[in-house]
Amino acid sequence: SAVISQKPSRDICQRGTSLTIQCQVDSQVTMMFWYRQQPGQSLTLIATANQGSEATYESGFVIDKFPISRPNLTFSTLTVSNMSPEDSSIYLCSVIGVNTEAFFGQGTRLTVV
Amino acid sequence: GNSVTQMEGPVTLSEEAFLTINCTYTATGYPSLFWYVQYPGEGLQLLLKATKADDKGSNKGFEATYRKETTSFHLEKGSVQVSDSAVYFCALSSGGGNKLTFGTGTQLKVEL
Repeated sequence: SAVISQKPSRDICQRGTSLTIQCQVDSQVTMMFWYRQQPGQSLTLIATANQGSEATYESGFVIDKFPISRPNLTFSTLTVSNMSPEDSSIYLCSVIGVNTEAFFGQGTRLTVV
Repeated sequence: GNSVTQMEGPVTLSEEAFLTINCTYTATGYPSLFWYVQYPGEGLQLLLKATKADDKGSNKGFEATYRKETTSFHLEKGSVQVSDSAVYFCALSSGGGNKLTFGTGTQLKVEL
């Protein structure tokens, strides 16, 4: 199994500011994933964070809005830039372990006011 | 593209009742299918999975069978407990890359 630590667990931010979310895994993993869970909705994949290369973004998500870093095989950050109330969501980090099982962090609950 | 459709909640049941949460999917190729559970205040956890047609995943009394002919993966439990109260997500992965496509989630409330 993989243990994922996400920080912060929650934050309340002013519109127009940026927040960086950290994800630390207790083992080396090739790919890390960032998801968004908007209120009352399902999880949507934002991007796949690859070590040593740029992140791969899903349709509707762009690097300028959600820049991602992946400096090594156990750590990644997601920044939510120039925030608006529509960015209020839970943001989750995920990795794939053996046997294709996905592990998730506890999430970062972001409220933009 | 891939998609997952699951029944809307909330579903409210009495303890020891039978549970079914429907899930159907659309995918290219042969996806792997999953049920994840999110207990109050906790992160998502894998509940069970099935990787090929007719496979049955099971865990903690929950079961789901991969039905390719009906593109379904319905979650069932014969006797629910209050501790089963959570949000349940059906999901699939397909085409490599291990990206997951989730359903909208179904909230289950079990009462005494």
